[in-house]
Amino acid sequence: AQSVSQHNHHVILSEAASLELGCNYSYGGTVNLFWYVQYPGQHLQLLLKYFSGDPLVKGIKGFEAEFIKSKFSFNLRKPSVQWSDTAEYFCAVNSGNTGKLIFGQGTTLQVKP
Amino acid sequence: NAGVTQTPKFQVLKTGQSMTLQCAQDMNHEYMSWYRQDPGMGLRLIHYSVGAGITDQGEVPNGYNVSRSTTEDFPLRLLSAAPSQTSVYFCASSGGRGANYGYTFGSGTRLTVV
Repeated sequence: AQSVSQHNHHVILSEAASLELGCNYSYGGTVNLFWYVQYPGQHLQLLLKYFSGDPLVKGIKGFEAEFIKSKFSFNLRKPSVQWSDTAEYFCAVNSGNTGKLIFGQGTTLQVKP
Repeated sequence: NAGVTQTPKFQVLKTGQSMTLQCAQDMNHEYMSWYRQDPGMGLRLIHYSVGAGITDQGEVPNGYNVSRSTTEDFPLRLLSAAPSQTSVYFCASSGGRGANYGYTFGSGTRLTVV
């Protein structure tokens, strides 16, 4: 069965620190990969997505993610975080355009001013 | 352009009661899904649909029913509410080549079962 694992459950950083959130998935076929963000009290918003092509994907608000097929990973990065990046981040995987989008457990990011 | 609309935003049920969470989208999206969000568990897929008349089970379907009679609407029914169904429920839809474009989420329904 398809599954998604996010290694870091709670990350605390100071402003201007670099961020990397891990995401691994288990599925051997073609996958589409996503990162979503949920700010406190709000619904999920799409940060970035990967379907094919360049494995380094750039999203909104300075976020990027790298798809490494051999490692089944899709890690999220940001060179310099801001206090406003405090939120919960979710990695999600859709396999073979089935309409079935599976999420990881989420990572709570707290950025200290 | 309302996107994905969920009603109600809040609901309190007694154990054993039934209710329907409503979800509507005005983007002519083929794909729609229901998720529940619980602390530390992320979003778990309850049921999903790839078009009118077509639905399938997700990761945690027990205790929930769905139907998709129109493209726009995808209601979620709780047959006999239990305290374990206390959660925040999100509806989502996706268009274009299905889920490849990513899902748009509604604002959620916070359900408490007492």
